[in-house]
Amino acid sequence: ETGVTQSPTHLIKTRGQQVTLRCSSQSGHNTVSWYQQALGQGPQFIFQYYREEENGRGNFPPRFSGLQFPNYSSELNVNALELDDSALYLCASSFWQSGQETQYFGPGTRLLVL
Amino acid sequence: AQSVTQPDIHITVSEGASLELRCNYSYGATPYLFWYVQSPGQGLQLLLKYFSGDTLVQGIKGFEAEFKRSQSSFNLRKPSVHWSDAAEYFCAVGPNAGNMLTFGGGTRLMVKP
Repeated sequence: ETGVTQSPTHLIKTRGQQVTLRCSSQSGHNTVSWYQQALGQGPQFIFQYYREEENGRGNFPPRFSGLQFPNYSSELNVNALELDDSALYLCASSFWQSGQETQYFGPGTRLLVL
Repeated sequence: AQSVTQPDIHITVSEGASLELRCNYSYGATPYLFWYVQSPGQGLQLLLKYFSGDTLVQGIKGFEAEFKRSQSSFNLRKPSVHWSDAAEYFCAVGPNAGNMLTFGGGTRLMVKP
């Protein structure tokens, strides 16, 4: 049990639509990251938020955007969906404990774009 | 640019046999290295991580990994595999303790009875 939850678990959209995925983590988890995992591949870093500000971004276009809220929840928004956006989207949150940062992943949201 | 290579896409071992999963990385600075396991339909679970110090790192579920700077490798090992170890294993590298990770393509482990 990581304490990181994601919703919905599964989602089907059509090309051109917009989607919002949600992540909730525990109190004190100030950093949240989002990853895209296409079928049969390793996760790819999308972006990271720290205290509600984006402070790192991978090689993803601007139609991928996010928000982080004061209650330790966050959103990943994807506009103008493309077929290649079909993937498992993973949220990860991290916190400092005993001088080390520890990251926990949620179970993911599986998105299918038709 | 940083990268992670896991040369073996699939590995099959017999239950009770030893296991070694290979990981090679490319990183411009001192790397933070990780191994994660993913069971079907689930998220990622951290097995172990290396930041500095002793190059042999112990993790959960009886796994260990050895950091070899000269070979840019961070191979995962287990002396005796259990059927429940069947899963996908990912090696990752990052600039700090757990964020902005670059993952390898994964190795799918199958365990024969």
